[in-house]
Amino acid sequence: AQTVTQSQPEMSVQEAETVTLSCTYDTSESDYYLFWYKQPPSRQMILVIRQEAYKQQNATENRFSVNFQKAAKSFSLKISDSQLGDAAMYFCAYRGYGNKLVFGAGTILRVKS
Amino acid sequence: DVKVTQSSRYLVKRTGEKVFLECVQDMDHENMFWYRQDPGLGLRLIYFSYDVKMKEKGDIPEGYSVSREKKERFSLILESASTNQTSMYLCASSLLSGIGGKNIQYFGAGTRLSVL
Repeated sequence: AQTVTQSQPEMSVQEAETVTLSCTYDTSESDYYLFWYKQPPSRQMILVIRQEAYKQQNATENRFSVNFQKAAKSFSLKISDSQLGDAAMYFCAYRGYGNKLVFGAGTILRVKS
Repeated sequence: DVKVTQSSRYLVKRTGEKVFLECVQDMDHENMFWYRQDPGLGLRLIYFSYDVKMKEKGDIPEGYSVSREKKERFSLILESASTNQTSMYLCASSLLSGIGGKNIQYFGAGTRLSVL
């Protein structure tokens, strides 16, 4: 079975600085997707970024980028120029064949002004 | 925009009550999901459905059942609520199965259920 591990329960970052959230996963599948979801205090889960495993190029969405290391099974999220609105719980998730997402335990990100 | 609506933000029930959590999506998605979110455990899949009247167990189905009579609506049922079912419940929907990139799950805002 696939597993997703987020080893940082909480992280803090100063406004305008850069922070990296870690995620590792375990799978025997060769083709899969990885996701980062954001859950702000409103509780509405929002997709931040996704990565296809067969694409070597790291995904980027504005201030959000990933460092995808397939051999190491690592998928970290980098947030540049952090803003107060980035404060949230961030979940790393894996989807292989089929529909099911497997989530990590989450990382709470606090942004200091 | 995709909209997934959960009928209640907060719910308080008593032990032994039958509880219904309702979820409606407006994007004609085939797949619908129920997750439970607990601190330190992330989201865990309870049940999912890939078509009307079809369902499959997720990782933690015990104590729960589901109903999908219409494509847009997916209900989670706690037959006899217990205190260990106090949690946040999230509903999600997505397009057809497969590895395709369009198969993104969209989430509702969650129902925080307290069982006393």
